[in-house]
Amino acid sequence: EPEVTQTPSHQVTQMGQEVILRCVPISNHLYFYWYRQILGQKVEFLVSFYNNEISEKSEIFDDQFSVERPDGSNFTLKIRSTKLEDSAMYFCASSAQGQGNTEAFFGQGTRLTVV
Amino acid sequence: GENVEQHPSTLSVQEGDSAVIKCTYSDSASNYFPWYKQELGKRPQLIIDIRSNVGEKKDQRIAVTLNKTAKHFSLHITETQPEDSAVYFCAAGDNYGQNFVFGPGTRLSVLP
Repeated sequence: EPEVTQTPSHQVTQMGQEVILRCVPISNHLYFYWYRQILGQKVEFLVSFYNNEISEKSEIFDDQFSVERPDGSNFTLKIRSTKLEDSAMYFCASSAQGQGNTEAFFGQGTRLTVV
Repeated sequence: GENVEQHPSTLSVQEGDSAVIKCTYSDSASNYFPWYKQELGKRPQLIIDIRSNVGEKKDQRIAVTLNKTAKHFSLHITETQPEDSAVYFCAAGDNYGQNFVFGPGTRLSVLP
């Protein structure tokens, strides 16, 4: 069964450092998303990406965040200068195009700890 | 923007009983409503979804109902089992796979 894969599973970084979280979406999917989940809280939408550009982003997704699809398979989330409050589980998800199939498949997540 | 509320925040039921989780949404443009189950430390996994042209959908012990007029939708789990224990999130979004807004979650505990 195809799945979304994320690396690393856990990343510890010092405050102020840049981090890049990596995702490989399901190969025939065209929509890609990043979500985050602070421990014990709900899943929060960060950004959606389609046709090589951001299609929607939340207020959480400020100038410190950026996304990129550098090649045909990877989808990355970069946090330029991490803050303590960026500590969370970050989920990548992907979905196929069209009205008939909009299920979003989630990766296993990357637990980011900012110290 | 869309706002999704979910109740209750915690729910305990005896094994074999039914569980009902309710969600409301604010944006009448939303027309896709998935439910995710998240076990401790794991990824959210889709368990059932419903689209706005359908009022009810059932998959074995799980059913979802949607009332578009009232902007609410509910998850029903019958004959609950201990392995149903998890956090359940409802979500609302549009039909083109864009932004899903999640509810705050319901922690379901099924007691043996």
